[in-house]
Amino acid sequence: DAGITQSPRHKVTETGTPVTLRCHQTENHRYMYWYRQDPGHGLRLIHYSYGVKDTDKGEVSDGYSVSRSKTEDFLLTLESATSSQTSVYFCAISERDFLINTEAFFGQGTRLTVV
Amino acid sequence: DQQVKQNSPSLSVQEGRISILNCDYTNSMFDYFLWYKKYPAEGPTFLISISSIKDKNEDGRFTVFLNKSAKHLSLHIVPSQPGDSAVYFCAARANNNAGNMLTFGGGTRLMVKP
Repeated sequence: DAGITQSPRHKVTETGTPVTLRCHQTENHRYMYWYRQDPGHGLRLIHYSYGVKDTDKGEVSDGYSVSRSKTEDFLLTLESATSSQTSVYFCAISERDFLINTEAFFGQGTRLTVV
Repeated sequence: DQQVKQNSPSLSVQEGRISILNCDYTNSMFDYFLWYKKYPAEGPTFLISISSIKDKNEDGRFTVFLNKSAKHLSLHIVPSQPGDSAVYFCAARANNNAGNMLTFGGGTRLMVKP
């Protein structure tokens, strides 16, 4: 199994509070991603990173920010949580160079409930 | 506008029979396609992939077929087993994708009955 750890695994928070989810990898992969999974929508990309301090928006980035100060850590922050951000959040990693193009490996997910 | 679509939210199959899961895409820049399997309370796990230069890739009981002209791919599972019961996601990657990221379909829940 790829070394990806998400924390926390479960969280309940109140509307309007800030929340930070952490993804930690031990694979030294360049690319890291945050997806959310919702019924009927599959997995939708929130933000991604292609290197330390290099991040960009995905399909559903509104209300979220990210930071990557080290190769191994990718943080997702909900500045002011809303009920629409209740979801299961997955971190993923991948690598690509001239010879290697790997599939993405996923963490076990964080179930976030905003009440 | 979904670039990757799985039009069947669920599929029920008898053990031992073939399961066929379908996926359609719209982006002509997609050149690499993957299937992921997801059990409840776990992250998705990679199952099988296919490059756009091929039309078939086989791995044990799992075969993926790609029809580029129709922008359609399918996953065949033969024979189906109860342990195959899971949600299956189709995903695609574009060759001009600086972030190397995947675009996913909405998933198909497969139930294999003993």
